[in-house]
Amino acid sequence: EAGVAQSPRYKIIEKRQSVAFWCNPISGHATLYWYQQILGQGPKLLIQFQNNGVVDDSQLPKDRFSAERLKGVDSTLKIQPAKLEDSAVYLCASSQLASGELFFGEGSRLTVL
Amino acid sequence: DQQVKQNSPSLSVQEGRISILNCDYTNSMFDYFLWYKKYPAEGPTFLISISSIKDKNEDGRFTVFLNKSAKHLSLHIVPSQPGDSAVYFCAASATGGGNKLTFGTGTQLKVEL
Repeated sequence: EAGVAQSPRYKIIEKRQSVAFWCNPISGHATLYWYQQILGQGPKLLIQFQNNGVVDDSQLPKDRFSAERLKGVDSTLKIQPAKLEDSAVYLCASSQLASGELFFGEGSRLTVL
Repeated sequence: DQQVKQNSPSLSVQEGRISILNCDYTNSMFDYFLWYKKYPAEGPTFLISISSIKDKNEDGRFTVFLNKSAKHLSLHIVPSQPGDSAVYFCAASATGGGNKLTFGTGTQLKVEL
């Protein structure tokens, strides 16, 4: 079974530029999550989708972050404009409805200069 | 507000000995707890979980203990092996929370030969 796929693995941009991250969850997983992990901290939930609807985006900085999950499969997380404090690893995860276990991708490491 | 706390940022043990990683939580609504293991440049991978109706769950060398009255859980690894060297995250979720996980800040375990 293929795992959660994310791209790009690494991205370096200057502040005020934009960036987009892509995630393809495990086949059949209805729930998709984007987490932000800043160095030295635990992952923090940014947004949770169930199929193509948003379940929780309470911690998403909506003035600069946006995310979508078209057709209930792939998802894209965008940051525009980026700030220095957005430097982090962006983790995508997916889960089946009835399971408490989340499966994570390898993450996309963003460096904002 | 850190609802899941891992107060030891690092732990060093000798190969063959027991590793004990600790985690405390403050939200009494949490009823499902998980441990994730993370190697550098990889996403977190699920290790073991426990429901609040239990006080112990065992899987091979890994055992998780839950003390609900103290809002404390611990992960025991016996015997510790060099391949166990990684960052361990404690995570918690609440029924009705849609599998949303709240993570601790992680403990870096180093198993020395």
